[in-house]
Amino acid sequence: EVRLLESGGGLVQPGGSLRLSCATSGFTFKNYAMSWVRQAPGKGLEWVSGFGDSGGRAYYSDSVKGRFTSSRDNLNNTLYLLMNSLRAEDTAIYYCARSMLTTGVFEFWGLGTLVTVSP
Amino acid sequence: SYVLTQSPSVSVAPGGTAIITCGGSDIGSKSVHWFQQKPGQAPDLVVYDDRDRPSRIPERFSGSNSGKTATLFISRVEAGDEADYFCQVWDSSSAHWVFGGGTKLTVL
Repeated sequence: EVRLLESGGGLVQPGGSLRLSCATSGFTFKNYAMSWVRQAPGKGLEWVSGFGDSGGRAYYSDSVKGRFTSSRDNLNNTLYLLMNSLRAEDTAIYYCARSMLTTGVFEFWGLGTLVTVSP
Repeated sequence: SYVLTQSPSVSVAPGGTAIITCGGSDIGSKSVHWFQQKPGQAPDLVVYDDRDRPSRIPERFSGSNSGKTATLFISRVEAGDEADYFCQVWDSSSAHWVFGGGTKLTVL
């Protein structure tokens, strides 16, 4: 069974940093593209970052580029999102998602972790 | 940047067919994916590559995509289908995934 479990969310002050983790199990992690998607309270879905398989590069939305860094540990089957220079508008539930092998579509999602940026 | 446009809300009576649209420039040339999100839950893939369904999704969910509009159809609507629905595409020109703003489906 595919499982994705995000952690690391919490309350942080503007300008601060936070590192999210997405622990995975039930599949061969290194073979799959992974992504981060966020959802501000009462709002829609926003793609944040996408990471290809073990040899792929990371891509970022314009709203986080230069502040967020996505990485993956293929030995420990974990995806990370390092978030720096956090702003109030970064407040959201952050989901990690796994893509299908054949297409990039997000087939499985975690339950999400809440990040709140507030003084 | 590429923009996907969805109507904010759609209402349908039980047993009817819900039609949820997603507009975008030449969207017919892209693969469109649809997600269902119920309150307090993570999104769930219901249709991918315009018209394919994950095996767990009932046949009542179907999709089409042509020209400037992609469409999600939900036939024989049930109370349990009430949710927000989001369309998504990959914009190769920007190397970004793009979501539509979402449509809230209300079952009357």
